[in-house]
Amino acid sequence: EIVLTQSPGTLSLSPGERATLSCRASQSVSSRYFAWYQQKPGQAPRLLIYGASSRATGIPDRFSGSGSGTDFTLTISRLEPEDFAVYYCQQYDNSPPVTFGQGTRLEIK
Amino acid sequence: QLVQSGAEMKKPGESLKISCKGSGFSFTSYYIAWVRQMPGKGLECMGFIYPSDSYTTYSPSFKGQVTFSADKSISSAYLQWNSLKASDTAMYYCARPSGAGTYHEGFDIWGQGTMVTVSS
Repeated sequence: EIVLTQSPGTLSLSPGERATLSCRASQSVSSRYFAWYQQKPGQAPRLLIYGASSRATGIPDRFSGSGSGTDFTLTISRLEPEDFAVYYCQQYDNSPPVTFGQGTRLEIK
Repeated sequence: QLVQSGAEMKKPGESLKISCKGSGFSFTSYYIAWVRQMPGKGLECMGFIYPSDSYTTYSPSFKGQVTFSADKSISSAYLQWNSLKASDTAMYYCARPSGAGTYHEGFDIWGQGTMVTVSS
């Protein structure tokens, strides 16, 4: 099973700042099979990025994904108030099982 | 979209079956995933069902603990427990991998979630 480790656990930033979230895999993952999600309190997760770098439908271009192998990054270029949420990475390469990271909480500073 | 059945409160040892109904897409062309989120915790993929032929694949942690089923005639998938435990208390989501006929895709459609509470 591929273990995904996200860092930091919590990120405190202000609106307008740049956010960089990291996800490290315990073994190499094809970038084709890597995704990022956003989850707000009381809501289901929402797909942001698939294939490591492709934005899902309706996702603003301030969200971008990059990475390959074992290291992946989600960048939010300029934080908007609605971006403060929990973010999860996911791999669906070596599956089952599909695995998620433990999450990064992005909070307002 | 995917619409799930309502919240459930059960006692340990009881059985339960929750549902997930799809609309707006060809339900038999896509896998359906079940995802658990325990209170205050992260996401865990329990496995998948392919409603076209009811093929199932379970994540190792959930194999033997739950059962997936589907009724393609009404575009519905189900998650079932035969004997609930307190540790089954969680929000359960169904979700659709975005590519037809494969689960090697991100989940682009999610149900609203079903909260299952197991307590004596």
